Amino acid sequence: DVKVTQSSRYLVKRTGEKVFLECVQDMDHENMFWYRQDPGLGLRLIYFSYDVKMKEKGDIPEGYSVSREKKERFSLILESASTNQTSMYLCASSLGEIGSGANVLTFGAGSRLTVL
Amino acid sequence: GQNIDQPTEMTATEGAIVQINCTYQTSGFNGLFWYQQHAGEAPTFLSYNVLDGLEEKGRFSSFLSRSKGYSYLLLKELQMKDSASYLCAVRDSNYQLIWGAGTKLIIKP
Repeated sequence: DVKVTQSSRYLVKRTGEKVFLECVQDMDHENMFWYRQDPGLGLRLIYFSYDVKMKEKGDIPEGYSVSREKKERFSLILESASTNQTSMYLCASSLGEIGSGANVLTFGAGSRLTVL
Repeated sequence: GQNIDQPTEMTATEGAIVQINCTYQTSGFNGLFWYQQHAGEAPTFLSYNVLDGLEEKGRFSSFLSRSKGYSYLLLKELQMKDSASYLCAVRDSNYQLIWGAGTKLIIKP
């Protein structure tokens, strides 16, 4: 089974702190994604990457950055956490060219971040 | 703007059939997805439709009408484990996924 592992299920941080969310996938997928999930809203794409060291902004990149130094690992960084970044963060990966065929996403279980 | 609409919550009885609708208005269309998400867990892929018609996969079926901007997910012989949120997503002309807010399905015995 493809597995996407997010290292932290629950985090509590203070405003202004730097936050790292780590995501690792074990099936050699080219594409990796970071979404946030908030009640009453659809998943919103923060950043994605289709290759090592490549990154593309999604719909809501402000206040976030990412790093992909190795194919299996995609990190989301909040340089200075704010209360409006309290959310569930979902990492996902997929195989093959984005937009080709089904290009199914495999998600991690999520990291619930609370910023006080 | 781009928009995906699905009901917020639905309730159904164990053993029955339920249809979850999804309507969309997007910039182009390159496929529609349904994912299932149990509370506190990762979303998991259920179905993909790119052509009009019905795709059947066991107890679950998904229908697409591109001309109407409409899809539904049909769940038959409902089981308690089907209690979950069901997420509809459309891939637009830029191959980006636009997500609905999800439908929370509650199954009662």
